[in-house]
Amino acid sequence: GIQVEQSPPDLILQEGANSTLRCNFSDSVNNLQWFHQNPWGQLINLFYIPSGTKQNGRLSATTVATERYSLLYISSSQTTDSGVYFCAVERTGGGNKLTFGTGTQLKVEL
Amino acid sequence: EAGVAQSPRYKIIEKRQSVAFWCNPISGHATLYWYQQILGQGPKLLIQFQNNGVVDDSQLPKDRFSAERLKGVDSTLKIQPAKLEDSAVYLCASKTGQSFGTQYFGPGTRLTVL
Repeated sequence: GIQVEQSPPDLILQEGANSTLRCNFSDSVNNLQWFHQNPWGQLINLFYIPSGTKQNGRLSATTVATERYSLLYISSSQTTDSGVYFCAVERTGGGNKLTFGTGTQLKVEL
Repeated sequence: EAGVAQSPRYKIIEKRQSVAFWCNPISGHATLYWYQQILGQGPKLLIQFQNNGVVDDSQLPKDRFSAERLKGVDSTLKIQPAKLEDSAVYLCASKTGQSFGTQYFGPGTRLTVL
């Protein structure tokens, strides 16, 4: 099956700092989603981004499908950004099934 | 638009007991998924439905897990009998029937098996 690797596994930031999270995948995809899992376990959709660049407030994401990676940018981080960030992909021809990466645990401190 | 609904939110049972989880997907979404998320890991697909038919259940431990979506709308996932290693969060997700598009997740059911 497709392999999805995320880095870094853990990240601690001071409030106001910027960060970049990376997702590498091993095969072509027709869906890539970034999620934020909050401390209560809810998976919140951040981006549906199989290719290109999108921005939503302080967050933006870029997927370079030909090179099989995606980046999630968090600017001016806030304590409410804390939690786990997951990248998940659907392999092309893989039957609309999401395979999740191992996640990046982010903690934003005052 | 209402999101994916799940119940119960929390469940604590003894090993060897039975448990059932319920999911109501977003209206009009033909594809429904059940995922299992063990603490510290990403969610893993258990079963995928397209309308009321099973598309993929290759990762479902069929000796103890079962799932159905009889009318192509809501779904139930059952574990009988439960084992300690079944302690996890069970997430339901839905998507339109098209190849492209976003999967939307419910709040999950946190199961603890003692």
